[in-house]
Amino acid sequence: GQNIDQPTEMTATEGAIVQINCTYQTSGFNGLFWYQQHAGEAPTFLSYNVLDGLEEKGRFSSFLSRSKGYSYLLLKELQMKDSASYLCAVSREAAGNKLTFGGGTRVLVKP
Amino acid sequence: EPEVTQTPSHQVTQMGQEVILRCVPISNHLYFYWYRQILGQKVEFLVSFYNNEISEKSEIFDDQFSVERPDGSNFTLKIRSTKLEDSAMYFCASSEALGGLYTIYFGEGSWLTVV
Repeated sequence: GQNIDQPTEMTATEGAIVQINCTYQTSGFNGLFWYQQHAGEAPTFLSYNVLDGLEEKGRFSSFLSRSKGYSYLLLKELQMKDSASYLCAVSREAAGNKLTFGGGTRVLVKP
Repeated sequence: EPEVTQTPSHQVTQMGQEVILRCVPISNHLYFYWYRQILGQKVEFLVSFYNNEISEKSEIFDDQFSVERPDGSNFTLKIRSTKLEDSAMYFCASSEALGGLYTIYFGEGSWLTVV
């Protein structure tokens, strides 16, 4: 089976940086995705990592270590609109691109 | 930007009734999915569909559920004899191809309430 763990909730201040960690255990790892989900809305794609290292996309960066089964999403220069849940999801080779999601990390940005 | 569209956005149905949720995937995408999210819980995979057949399904996707691509643009999820526990947000998604490099894009969701 698969196990994906991420913290339930984090609070940060506007303008600050927050790092959301995700650990996973899976066979046939194919990629790790990060999605943002506002309450009652669809998950919106943020980034993916297939190889080890850091991927930077504007204010968002994502890091992957395949050997450690570990990823993080870094949100810089936090804005109030960044208050949302951040979902870590793993894709497996033999699973037709099916994504298995973690429980999500709810980030609350305070002024 | 192309997007996955879903209808209805919200449906209330009586227990035991049949429901059809409709989706129009992104036009050049070949892989289609249904996921669901019960309120307050994680997003769960239901089924993936490629080349007019199911490529994988989860244990949630039992005989109560079926999917169909009735024409070149629509992709539907049918839930027969709905139960209270089927109340959830159902997300349709699509991707261009398989592999970690191909992002899965989600529609806005259809919120199903079974009463």
